[in-house]
Amino acid sequence: GNSVTQMEGPVTLSEEAFLTINCTYTATGYPSLFWYVQYPGEGLQLLLKATKADDKGSNKGFEATYRKETTSFHLEKGSVQVSDSAVYFCALSDRGAAGNKLTFGGGTRVLVKP
Amino acid sequence: GAGVSQSPSNKVTEKGKDVELRCDPISGHTALYWYRQSLGQGLEFLIYFQGNSAPDKSGLPSDRFSAERTGGSVSTLTIQRTQQEDSAVYLCASSGGLAGGSYEQYFGPGTRLTVT
Repeated sequence: GNSVTQMEGPVTLSEEAFLTINCTYTATGYPSLFWYVQYPGEGLQLLLKATKADDKGSNKGFEATYRKETTSFHLEKGSVQVSDSAVYFCALSDRGAAGNKLTFGGGTRVLVKP
Repeated sequence: GAGVSQSPSNKVTEKGKDVELRCDPISGHTALYWYRQSLGQGLEFLIYFQGNSAPDKSGLPSDRFSAERTGGSVSTLTIQRTQQEDSAVYLCASSGGLAGGSYEQYFGPGTRLTVT
């Protein structure tokens, strides 16, 4: 079956530091890949997505590249801010399956200190 | 415009009682999903609706869980004879696409269920 593995947190870093959150996946079909973010006290929001190999998703200074050869979709940001403190979820949807249900990784909590 | 709404936002119930959780998707969205977020299991898929039918119920953890959707809009997730392990945040999401696409799912704020 499908699965997503992402690095465990919490990740604590200083403002303006470089952030990487690793994500790898296993899928039977040709998945679309997503990063969702959950800010404190808020609901899940889509951060970025990529639908095919070598696509790069980007939003709010975050980037992730769909790497089929390494089955990875690592999230990066060059200079984090305190407002980036949140829980980040890597997810996939397998377009071969009924519907586009999401399979999520376990989430990575990121804390950015001023 | 209005997003996905869920009610109640919080629900505390006694073990053995039945509960109903409601989801109002974004108007016009044909696909609706229920997920559960718990400390032990992370974010798990429960059930998917396309219109009023549920082609994928594979994530429902037991026959105590059921869901329906009427008029291609509102959905209700029912948990019968609640157990403490049912305590979690229940999330609803909707999207405008059909199977095979990669349409974004928009999530509601969730219902936090606590079974005492």
